[in-house]
Amino acid sequence: DQQVKQNSPSLSVQEGRISILNCDYTNSMFDYFLWYKKYPAEGPTFLISISSIKDKNEDGRFTVFLNKSAKHLSLHIVPSQPGDSAVYFCAAVGGTASKLTFGTGTRLQVTL
Amino acid sequence: DGGITQSPKYLFRKEGQNVTLSCEQNLNHDAMYWYRQDPGQGLRLIYYSQIVNDFQKGDIAEGYSVSREKKESFPLTVTSAQKNPTAFYLCASSPRTRDIQYFGAGTRLSVL
Repeated sequence: DQQVKQNSPSLSVQEGRISILNCDYTNSMFDYFLWYKKYPAEGPTFLISISSIKDKNEDGRFTVFLNKSAKHLSLHIVPSQPGDSAVYFCAAVGGTASKLTFGTGTRLQVTL
Repeated sequence: DGGITQSPKYLFRKEGQNVTLSCEQNLNHDAMYWYRQDPGQGLRLIYYSQIVNDFQKGDIAEGYSVSREKKESFPLTVTSAQKNPTAFYLCASSPRTRDIQYFGAGTRLSVL
């Protein structure tokens, strides 16, 4: 049972435009959400997180939005840069799920 | 520098052979994890440990074994019972299991 889903395996965006990566979850007890970025042949690196008491968290070009009623979160990257090309994983934790549950990832390609 | 060190970066296994992947952290984290990533796939949890001398199976533990004799170290053995071991293996650690996980650079295992 996939509790964290990233339904878009890939996304292509032009440099300078906005990238929007989506993530849906099914466990209403999740209360902390994270985004990781992963380059090929490297380990994922933590990007940004959000607690369920907030609906938005911003860090430079990266903003995460949380819609608890829809059980949906999204990562916005503005403006997108070629170095943002990577696989992005969302993750969630909370309730009886005491460790992070990862989504399957979305590959972002930022084109020139 | 504080971080997580995985070795070796590349590893080859012969049929019927057990191989051990090393993971060391100097972040003073209690929790450690092993994940497997296959091409085009997400992160699948193999084993995790919340504290020294304790570990739990993840989603795909069959054919793998771990030990946690020291806080800093969480080696993973890929046994001959694992029939499809070719993958990219990632080790991670976190202060507690619901905290941000920090990843090593990974080990790519191939079968000769």
